[in-house]
Amino acid sequence: GNSVTQMEGPVTLSEEAFLTINCTYTATGYPSLFWYVQYPGEGLQLLLKATKADDKGSNKGFEATYRKETTSFHLEKGSVQVSDSAVYFCALSLARSNDYKLSFGAGTTVTVRA
Amino acid sequence: DGGITQSPKYLFRKEGQNVTLSCEQNLNHDAMYWYRQDPGQGLRLIYYSQIVNDFQKGDIAEGYSVSREKKESFPLTVTSAQKNPTAFYLCASSLRRDSNQPQHFGDGTRLSIL
Repeated sequence: GNSVTQMEGPVTLSEEAFLTINCTYTATGYPSLFWYVQYPGEGLQLLLKATKADDKGSNKGFEATYRKETTSFHLEKGSVQVSDSAVYFCALSLARSNDYKLSFGAGTTVTVRA
Repeated sequence: DGGITQSPKYLFRKEGQNVTLSCEQNLNHDAMYWYRQDPGQGLRLIYYSQIVNDFQKGDIAEGYSVSREKKESFPLTVTSAQKNPTAFYLCASSLRRDSNQPQHFGDGTRLSIL
């Protein structure tokens, strides 16, 4: 079945540090890949997405590249801020039998200290 | 503004009681979803619906029920058969026809046992 594995947290960084969160996937077919962010007490917000191999999604200084050869979609940001403290979820969507369900990773908690 | 509204934000359930969580969207999305989030875990799919008057069980449907009488509304009932209902519940919606479309989430309902 489809599944997503992301690096375990928590991750604690200082402001302006480089952030990488690893995400790998298993899927039969060609999934669309997403990163969602969840701020404390809120729902999930789409951060970025990529729909085919070698696509790069980017938003708010975050980037992730869809790597089919390594089945990965690692999230990166060059200089984090305190406001980036949140839980980050990697997810995939694969249309099968017209069911567009998302499969989520377990989430990675990121804390950025001033 | 278009979006998804979940209510209430906090809900308490007594032993043996059924409770209903509300989810309304004005995005004109066909598909709606209910997820459960437990601490340190990813999201698990409870039920989903791709069209009015139709819905399917997700991965953890036992102890829950749903209805989809209107396109805009997808209420979730947590029944007394759900023995461990304490969790954060998230509702989402998406355009059904394209797996490249992301899911949009509400702000969640936190359910606790009295």
